[in-house]
Amino acid sequence: VQLVESGGGLVQPGGSLRLSCAASGFTFSTSNMNWVRQAPGKGLEWVSYISNSSRTIYYADSVKGRFTIARDNAENSLYLQMNSLRAEDTAVYYCARDAATIGGGEFDLWGQGTLVAVSS
Amino acid sequence: DIQMTQSPSSLSASVGDRVTITCQASQDISNYLNWYQQKPGKAPKLLIYDASNLETGVPSRFGGSGSGTDFTFTISSLQPEDIATYYCQQSDDLPFTFGPGTKVDIK
Repeated sequence: VQLVESGGGLVQPGGSLRLSCAASGFTFSTSNMNWVRQAPGKGLEWVSYISNSSRTIYYADSVKGRFTIARDNAENSLYLQMNSLRAEDTAVYYCARDAATIGGGEFDLWGQGTLVAVSS
Repeated sequence: DIQMTQSPSSLSASVGDRVTITCQASQDISNYLNWYQQKPGKAPKLLIYDASNLETGVPSRFGGSGSGTDFTFTISSLQPEDIATYYCQQSDDLPFTFGPGTKVDIK
């Protein structure tokens, strides 16, 4: 049972990056999922949520209009398309499975994280 | 947004000590409160969900209580492997928000 993120790296301000999260060992297609980030030396910040069917999607205000969450249940994969990146988006990005039966927000399985650095 | 506060921000305790961390929400969140442990360089790990429910596989020395706006996280007997930062997080309303964390180390 694991989540493995990829796609992080160094990008210039205003640039784009697409993160991926590969799930294995559990039924991804019935799991709601999230992205959570952590700036260097800082605390945790929830970024986005997607329901198992992709029917329900939420974003933090700090990324709304710039980030897009998506999933491919056939490929057991979760994605985060990040556009118009800013220095304050620099963080380790974690994908996290949501165990809550109603409403979301209970992160019971986390990936190892992928670092996104936004700098010129 | 619901603001989460934690105290203390850090603590040092001896092996075997009882450790208590408090978390306060800026409004009533019922029991929609989770606790995570994060060791240096690692991803967070869910320890307690819905304020007082122990996640499967988590040692019984970890516990949680509270409802409404005030919550407590306890380690009944601190072990060396418990050195970590602990975060509370509310799942009552969007956006899901975390407390600033409490760093626990060994005296």
